[in-house]
Amino acid sequence: AQKVTQAQTEISVVEKEDVTLDCVYETRDTTYYLFWYKQPPSGELVFLIRRNSFDEQNEISGRYSWNFQKSTSSFNFTITASQVVDSAVYFCALTLTSTSGTYKYIFGTGTRLKVLA
Amino acid sequence: DAGVIQSPRHEVTEMGQEVTLRCKPISGHDYLFWYRQTMMRGLELLIYFNNNVPIDDSGMPEDRFSAKMPNASFSTLKIQPSEPRDSAVYFCASSLVGAAGELFFGEGSRLTVL
Repeated sequence: AQKVTQAQTEISVVEKEDVTLDCVYETRDTTYYLFWYKQPPSGELVFLIRRNSFDEQNEISGRYSWNFQKSTSSFNFTITASQVVDSAVYFCALTLTSTSGTYKYIFGTGTRLKVLA
Repeated sequence: DAGVIQSPRHEVTEMGQEVTLRCKPISGHDYLFWYRQTMMRGLELLIYFNNNVPIDDSGMPEDRFSAKMPNASFSTLKIQPSEPRDSAVYFCASSLVGAAGELFFGEGSRLTVL
């Protein structure tokens, strides 16, 4: 079965705190892709990062960093020194190719992050 | 460059009426997706197209829903007849490639069925 679990439904932090959003995925495929998307209050989902299953290098982009660990099937997202503008719903997603040759796009249920001033 | 364009942004209709949502993908993107977002069910993939051909419509709820892509720059999602449980935000997204490609989402169409 393929699945993405974001166990944290909602997180509240005070501005400047660091926060980690968890993402655990399930798949037996060896080739797959993991994504993070941000959905701010305006509603439109925005792509943040993509990782393929063969690239376990962590990535840092400004205050954002991502930790991909195949051993624990996790792709966690950390925001350092959070800001009010980081308040949004964050989705983790998994994509892969099914046995029929079609693509599967699986989103987690999202984590709502509230950064308080 | 223009992103994915959806219309209408908001639609309020009465149960039983036909609803048509429209989407213009990013030029050159070969994949187009329709998603539905509700509080209860989160983001659900309804259907996706590749080169205007429907590839996977297993997420379409029932026969009341239909989607078409007559050309590379236009797609519609139709609900006939609409029901209150169809109330949701419907997103269209496009992508340059398949599983490896990030999705570019439109702003969504918020549908309310009374």
